[in-house]
Amino acid sequence: QITLKESGPTLVKPTQTLTLTCTFSGFSLSTSGVGVGWIRQPPGKALEWLALIYWDDDKRYSPSLKSGLTITKDTSKNQVVLTMTNMDPVDTATYYCVRNYYDSGPLDYWGQGTLVTVSS
Amino acid sequence: DVVMTQSPLSLPVTLGQPASISCRSSQSLVYSDGNTYLNWFQQRPGQSPRRLIYRVSNRDSGVPDRFSGSGSGTDFTLKISRVEAEDVGVYYCMQSTHWPGTFGQGTKLEIK
Repeated sequence: QITLKESGPTLVKPTQTLTLTCTFSGFSLSTSGVGVGWIRQPPGKALEWLALIYWDDDKRYSPSLKSGLTITKDTSKNQVVLTMTNMDPVDTATYYCVRNYYDSGPLDYWGQGTLVTVSS
Repeated sequence: DVVMTQSPLSLPVTLGQPASISCRSSQSLVYSDGNTYLNWFQQRPGQSPRRLIYRVSNRDSGVPDRFSGSGSGTDFTLKISRVEAEDVGVYYCMQSTHWPGTFGQGTKLEIK
């Protein structure tokens, strides 16, 4: 059974750095073709890709947010970490951890999501 | 980024009746390998999105066969042959041919 779960702060102040951790089970990030990424959804709005990291450490970032994003993986711990610098109230959103797999297509598994509010 | 445009944005449907959602992309979604990476997701109220369809017309495991996807190039459609109460939610198309993958605005399906 494949599961992904997001963890991190629910409230951050403007200009602070957000660090989110995705802990997954049921698959390995050392398997060829596997990637884990982050998607966010502001309240009542549509979904937006943030970043993606592949089994071979290839990393992709949203061009509009790239300068503030860093994604890393710890294969031994089955974890992927996303950091976002200089948080702003417009970054208030539910952040989802997702799996990408070449064989079965993108976003075949999602975490439950974690709501992050940016406010002073 | 590739812009995905869905219509309608609101879709009231009578139980048992068909429903159709259109999705158009600002550029072709045919990848260099010949595949078209257009996907459909369902987000029920209070839940995470769930993938229904990948690569235009492939239904995910566990997805009822009343859901079907079709289309090519830049024009795609999700059809529900007979709407049931559990189909209420927001439906998103999403392209993964070009990075970053981009989503449509969402179509809210409700029961009349």
